Amino acid sequence: KNEVEQSPQNLTAQEGEFITINCSYSVGISALHWLQQHPGGGIVSLFMLSSGKKKHGRLIATINIQEKHSSLHITASHPRDSAVYICAVRSWQTSGSRLTFGEGTQLTVNP
Amino acid sequence: KAGVTQTPRYLIKTRGQQVTLSCSPISGHRSVSWYQQTPGQGLQFLFEYFSETQRNKGNFPGRFSGRQFSNSRSEMNVSTLELGDSALYLCASSPGQARLEQYFGPGTRLTVT
Repeated sequence: KNEVEQSPQNLTAQEGEFITINCSYSVGISALHWLQQHPGGGIVSLFMLSSGKKKHGRLIATINIQEKHSSLHITASHPRDSAVYICAVRSWQTSGSRLTFGEGTQLTVNP
Repeated sequence: KAGVTQTPRYLIKTRGQQVTLSCSPISGHRSVSWYQQTPGQGLQFLFEYFSETQRNKGNFPGRFSGRQFSNSRSEMNVSTLELGDSALYLCASSPGQARLEQYFGPGTRLTVT
């Protein structure tokens, strides 16, 4: 079982729909990142959070440390939101800290 | 501020050769991390450097190595290339160990033939 599990793997929505992507993890973490990757490879960091909720424009990220679960919400989705969304957790080990990534969620928003 | 830059952007090498990739972090950032992305394995952590010291290393063979210079620029080297090393190699910088926001570069796409 992967340390970081995302669902769904693929998501198709119509423009304007409310979208939720989920991330569950099984290790102790110091922070959780939500990343966006567009075709061509460039990755943008959307959020880094260790508790509660953060909002940026139409994007909202929440985390429940006790349940080891995070969600990324997109309100009023738009075709330009089409991308791969990746959840990553930062965990500490005896050798230092590292990011462990989920497999990503491919989001397609149709006009 | 300029973003994270990586050179080269694309590279084709032959099995058995070695390759060096370069990453220049955002000015003032002291931490650089490297990641490998493949269709089969997704994104995987390679190494993290802070102030010229390797702070952590992922589960990759010794053919993968890296270093960081005094100006925070970082290089990674892969020796004796294998077909499975074909991947997108991404680096990310962050201000420091207490501030862990990751700023990613565009990546270097390496193809091994």
